[in-house]
Amino acid sequence: EVQLLESGGGLVQPGGSLRLSCGASGLTFSRYAMSWVRQAPGKGLEWVSSIGGNGVSTYYADSVKGRFTISRDNSKNTLYMQINSLRAEDTAVYYCAAGVSPWAVPGVGYWGQGTLVTVSS
Amino acid sequence: EIVLTQSPATLSLSPGDRATLSCRASQSVRNYLAWYQQKPGQGPRLLIHDASNRATGIPARFSGSGFGTDFTLTISSLEPEDFAVYYCQQRNDWPPVFGQGTRLEIK
Repeated sequence: EVQLLESGGGLVQPGGSLRLSCGASGLTFSRYAMSWVRQAPGKGLEWVSSIGGNGVSTYYADSVKGRFTISRDNSKNTLYMQINSLRAEDTAVYYCAAGVSPWAVPGVGYWGQGTLVTVSS
Repeated sequence: EIVLTQSPATLSLSPGDRATLSCRASQSVRNYLAWYQQKPGQGPRLLIHDASNRATGIPARFSGSGFGTDFTLTISSLEPEDFAVYYCQQRNDWPPVFGQGTRLEIK
């Protein structure tokens, strides 16, 4: 069974930083492009960033470009998102997911349960 | 950037009814369109990939159709557990956007 488990969320002040992690099990992690998708309270889903299976290629939403950095460690089966210069509008549940990006293998749709990031003073 | 518009925003139906949800793209996404179901406090669940293919373990009452810019998710006979929010999502091009969602509620 495939499991994705996010961690690292919490309460942070505007301008602060966080590092989110997503541990994967039950799949050959390096074969899958991975993404972060977020959901503000009571709102819809917003794609944030994606990274190819080998960690070389990355894409970002305009709203986070220059502030967020996606990375992965295939030896640890873990996806990361470094979030800097946090703003109130970054408050959301952050999900890691496989199957969202244009690189995705058809039929793949794995999601974690999410980790909540709250930006507030 | 491709924009996905879902309709209706809210759909009020009863168990046993047929549900038809629509997703329209601002430009062609070919067949690279997925449907997700989300329940409160949970991550999204993939229902349909590549417009018309049910994901593993998804009941046959869920079906998808469409190509290009117009897509439909049909639930043939609603079960109590089907009342949730449904999102479409395209992966034809960057950024891989989502629709704004359709809330399926019990009438």
